Amino acid sequence: EDKVVQSPLSLVVHEGDTVTLNCSYEVTNFRSLLWYKQEKKAPTFLFMLTSSGIEKKSGRLSSILDKKELFSILNITATQTGDSAVYLCAVEDRTQGAQKLVFGQGTRLTINP
Amino acid sequence: NAGVTQTPKFQVLKTGQSMTLQCAQDMNHNSMYWYRQDPGMGLRLIYYSASEGTTDKGEVPNGYNVSRLNKREFSLRLESAAPSQTSVYFCASSVGGSEKLFFGSGTQLSVL
Repeated sequence: EDKVVQSPLSLVVHEGDTVTLNCSYEVTNFRSLLWYKQEKKAPTFLFMLTSSGIEKKSGRLSSILDKKELFSILNITATQTGDSAVYLCAVEDRTQGAQKLVFGQGTRLTINP
Repeated sequence: NAGVTQTPKFQVLKTGQSMTLQCAQDMNHNSMYWYRQDPGMGLRLIYYSASEGTTDKGEVPNGYNVSRLNKREFSLRLESAAPSQTSVYFCASSVGGSEKLFFGSGTQLSVL
């Protein structure tokens, strides 16, 4: 059975700190790994990673995938209160077809001023 | 752009009642999905529709039915609601594959 595990489940830091969120996975036939940010309601897309070792960046956020060790990290530098959210990791299994993602439990990140 | 629109935003049901959650997207996406989100469980796929006229079961389909009414609309029906179906329900759509899903704002459903 496909499995995605995120850690930590909850994290509280001060504004300006750097944080690293972790996502490990077990899937039958990996296709891609995706990160989403969920602030109040609807998750919004951050990154999609398919190749190992290639960093994706968007401003203060960056993510990298290690397909050998089956994990990904999401880094946020110089955190701001607006970064407070639940961060979701999801993995697409090729054998399940292109239609199914398996999500992790999410990491709740709180940035205190 | 409206994106993905879900109705209602909140609903309280009694055990055994039925209801339909509505979802519409205006992005001309082929694929649509229904997820539920429970505390500590992440998002779990209930049903999906790869294209107009097709539907398929996801991870947790029991107790639900879906209809892909046309390319824009994908509804989720609870025939006989149970307390275990208390959850937040999200509709999502994508161009074709699972990558870059666009989510609706969710429906908070409580079954008493």
